[in-house]
Amino acid sequence: ILNVEQSPQSLHVQEGDSTNFTCSFPSSNFYALHWYRWETAKSPEALFVMTLNGDEKKKGRISATLNTKEGYSYLYIKGSQPEDSATYLCASGEDKIIFGKGTRLHILP
Amino acid sequence: NAGVTQTPKFQVLKTGQSMTLQCAQDMNHEYMSWYRQDPGMGLRLIHYSVGAGITDQGEVPNGYNVSRSTTEDFPLRLLSAAPSQTSVYFCASSYSLSGLYEQYFGPGTRLTVT
Repeated sequence: ILNVEQSPQSLHVQEGDSTNFTCSFPSSNFYALHWYRWETAKSPEALFVMTLNGDEKKKGRISATLNTKEGYSYLYIKGSQPEDSATYLCASGEDKIIFGKGTRLHILP
Repeated sequence: NAGVTQTPKFQVLKTGQSMTLQCAQDMNHEYMSWYRQDPGMGLRLIHYSVGAGITDQGEVPNGYNVSRSTTEDFPLRLLSAAPSQTSVYFCASSYSLSGLYEQYFGPGTRLTVT
């Protein structure tokens, strides 16, 4: 079972500030990397699926990069808004999709 | 499309009882999976299926059985419930080999075992 790690575990950010957090995964036998957004009392929703080294994806103010050679991905949020408060999960694997424990983001007004 | 549906939403069991958590999807997805969510643990994979008739174990399979007789349904059976199985259970599905496609999650089933 591959090990997917996320840091930090929790993050408090002032509204309007930009932030980023990290997902680490084994670089050997890499297949794909997923990012999900999980709001309290809801179900996780996919943000990005990334497969190629150097991939960069963007959705509004949220973007992600992927480095498969060194085994990490960054998620960036530009100009944080209260609605960005959520847990952000990354996951990796081929048919056995393993999740990290998530980064819980709190946006302070 | 209803997407991924799960029943029941809430369930309380006594230790030793058995039950089946239902999961269905109407998107003709090949891949389906079950996760449990526990505080501080994120989502942990219980079992998954890459197509009808094919299932495999995830990270935490002990105490759970699955079967996949149709593309649409992927029930999770608790054989003899234990308090350690108190959790929120999420079912998810994906178009094909899940590594290449996003997973769609159901609303979850909150299970308490007393």
